[in-house]
Amino acid sequence: AQSVTQLDSHVSVSEGTPVLLRCNYSSSYSPSLFWYVQHPNKGLQLLLKYTSAATLVKGINGFEAEFKKSETSFHLTKPSAHMSDAAEYFCVVRNYGGSQGNLIFGKGTKLSVKP
Amino acid sequence: DTGVSQDPRHKITKRGQNVTFRCDPISEHNRLYWYRQTLGQGPEFLTYFQNEAQLEKSRLLSDRFSAERPKGSFSTLEIQRTEQGDSAMYLCASSLVGSGANVLTFGAGSRLTVL
Repeated sequence: AQSVTQLDSHVSVSEGTPVLLRCNYSSSYSPSLFWYVQHPNKGLQLLLKYTSAATLVKGINGFEAEFKKSETSFHLTKPSAHMSDAAEYFCVVRNYGGSQGNLIFGKGTKLSVKP
Repeated sequence: DTGVSQDPRHKITKRGQNVTFRCDPISEHNRLYWYRQTLGQGPEFLTYFQNEAQLEKSRLLSDRFSAERPKGSFSTLEIQRTEQGDSAMYLCASSLVGSGANVLTFGAGSRLTVL
């Protein structure tokens, strides 16, 4: 079975400082992993996806994530936070079994950005 | 492409009433998904359709929940005899099989409050 664990429920950074949102995964297969972002009153938006190509994945808005099989991690990073990055971020793994639907979401990490 | 639309955006109802949510997917997408998101949690899969066929519904929360996609375009999610525990955000997403089928585009959601 597949699952993801987001290690922090809330992360707070200052504008202009780096962002690190941590995610560990568990999968019986070579996983497909994603990060989605959810701004208030807006739909979930795909930031980036890993599907067994390059281990360093670049996404939108300057975010990137590195797939580390040895550590079963897929942490999301950004070199310099912007106020507009404040949102909730979800680490997601594709489910290869039919019983749980297509995607399995973590519980989310709320990112706050201080001026 | 106007994205995934959901209606209504907010619904307040009294316990015991029936509610129905509508989702209009991206027009060329053949898969449509329903998820539920409760406070502090990631989205949880409920059911999905490929065209008009409901391929997975075992995750619907009870027999009070039902979904349809009669013509393979829009979909409805109905909750009968609502309970306070049904209060949540109901998310719809769509995707195109065979073109990165695991990349879902989400709507902004329908928030249900049961008094």
